[in-house]
Amino acid sequence: KAGVTQTPRYLIKTRGQQVTLSCSPISGHRSVSWYQQTPGQGLQFLFEYFSETQRNKGNFPGRFSGRQFSNSRSEMNVSTLELGDSALYLCASSADRKVAFGSGTRLTVV
Amino acid sequence: AQSVTQLGSHVSVSEGALVLLRCNYSSSVPPYLFWYVQYPNQGLQLLLKYTSAATLVKGINGFEAEFKKSETSFHLTKPSAHMSDAAEYFCAVSGPLEGAQKLVFGQGTRLTINP
Repeated sequence: KAGVTQTPRYLIKTRGQQVTLSCSPISGHRSVSWYQQTPGQGLQFLFEYFSETQRNKGNFPGRFSGRQFSNSRSEMNVSTLELGDSALYLCASSADRKVAFGSGTRLTVV
Repeated sequence: AQSVTQLGSHVSVSEGALVLLRCNYSSSVPPYLFWYVQYPNQGLQLLLKYTSAATLVKGINGFEAEFKKSETSFHLTKPSAHMSDAAEYFCAVSGPLEGAQKLVFGQGTRLTINP
C-alpha cells in the first residue's frame, strides 16, 4: 500500500511569490491534514479537509489556504510568501483513527 | 484547549541504557495521546498512541508509554537504547472528536545515543 506522497520535496521561492504544495493520501483515507514545522514554532496545525470540506483550521493568516479534490488529494497554497514561511510542510492522511504522515515539502523563501 | 509540554529539548543516553522522554499534557476533554519519531529530512512516524483503552501502551521498536491521568503525563520509555533510536521525538494530543486529524504537538525532544 503506497504511503502519503507529497510533491515537490524541495522548493525555493522568492518573497512575494505564491506556491502550491500537493499531497496524495493513502488510498481510502478521506481526511487530509496539513502542518507547518519550523525550528522556532515547532509543529503547528494548518487545516484539515474531509470529503472536500475544510473541517478544522489552525491559527494561520488567510494567505494560507487549501483544498481537497474528489479523489481526496489535497493542495495547499501560500500567497505573497514571506521569509518566515520557510518551513517543512507536512501532510497527514487518516482514517479510522489511523494516521500517516508524508515526508514533507521543504519550502525555502529567499 | 489542549497543550503538550515535553521536558527536555535534548536527552542523551548511552547505548543500552534506559530511555525516558517526558511528556505532560493539558486537555479539557479526555485526551488521545501520541508519540511520533522524526528522522532527519523525513516525516513523522507513529510510535504509539493512547485512545482511552489500556493505560500502558506498547509501540514499535520496543517503546512503550504509560498514561497517568492523575499526573497528566504520558512519558515514553525504552529499556535499552540502540544507536538507531537517535532522532527527534514528538508527543502530541488531540480530543476524541478530532481523533488524529488535528494534533497539538510538543516542541520535541532530540535523543542522542552515545556509543
